[in-house]
Amino acid sequence: AQSVAQPEDQVNVAEGNPLTVKCTYSVSGNPYLFWYVQYPNRGLQFLLKYITGDNLVKGSYGFEAEFNKSQTSFHLKKPSALVSDSALYFCAVRGNYGQNFVFGPGTRLSVLP
Amino acid sequence: NAGVTQTPKFRVLKTGQSMTLLCAQDMNHEYMYWYRQDPGMGLRLIHYSVGEGTTAKGEVPDGYNVSRLKKQNFLLGLESAAPSQTSVYFCASSYRTGTITDTQYFGPGTRLTVL
Repeated sequence: AQSVAQPEDQVNVAEGNPLTVKCTYSVSGNPYLFWYVQYPNRGLQFLLKYITGDNLVKGSYGFEAEFNKSQTSFHLKKPSALVSDSALYFCAVRGNYGQNFVFGPGTRLSVLP
Repeated sequence: NAGVTQTPKFRVLKTGQSMTLLCAQDMNHEYMYWYRQDPGMGLRLIHYSVGEGTTAKGEVPDGYNVSRLKKQNFLLGLESAAPSQTSVYFCASSYRTGTITDTQYFGPGTRLTVL
């Protein structure tokens, strides 16, 4: 069965500092990994995805994520956090056998001015 | 281009009442999905559709029904609402490209409270 873990409910970081939001997964076959962001009272917005190729994926708003197959992780990163990055972040995975997406529980990121 | 829209945005029901949530997309997407979002549990798939006239069960289908009579619309029905169905409901859609790497596009959500 597929599963996604986001071990931190909340991440606090000061503005200008680097941020990391962690994600680990379990899936049959090759993983297809996604990050979405949700701002208050809004739907989820796509940030980036890993399908194949380079392990470092760059996405919207300066975010990037690193795929690590041996650690089954796909951590979201940004070199310099902005207050406007404060939101709820979801990691999602699907396998290559036609399964549907499975979403993690979400991590709330707070960037403090 | 409105993307994915959902109506209504908010609704309060009494136990046993019925209602239908409407999702519409104008991106000509083949695939459409209904999720529910509960605190600490992420999004869970209720039902989905891979094309007009087809539907399938997701992870938590009990108590819900769906219909996809038109490609652009995906309806979620609650026949007899229960307090456990209090949640935020999201619709999403994606292209069918022949692969399974499609990005999903989400609507703004419907907040449902069942008393």
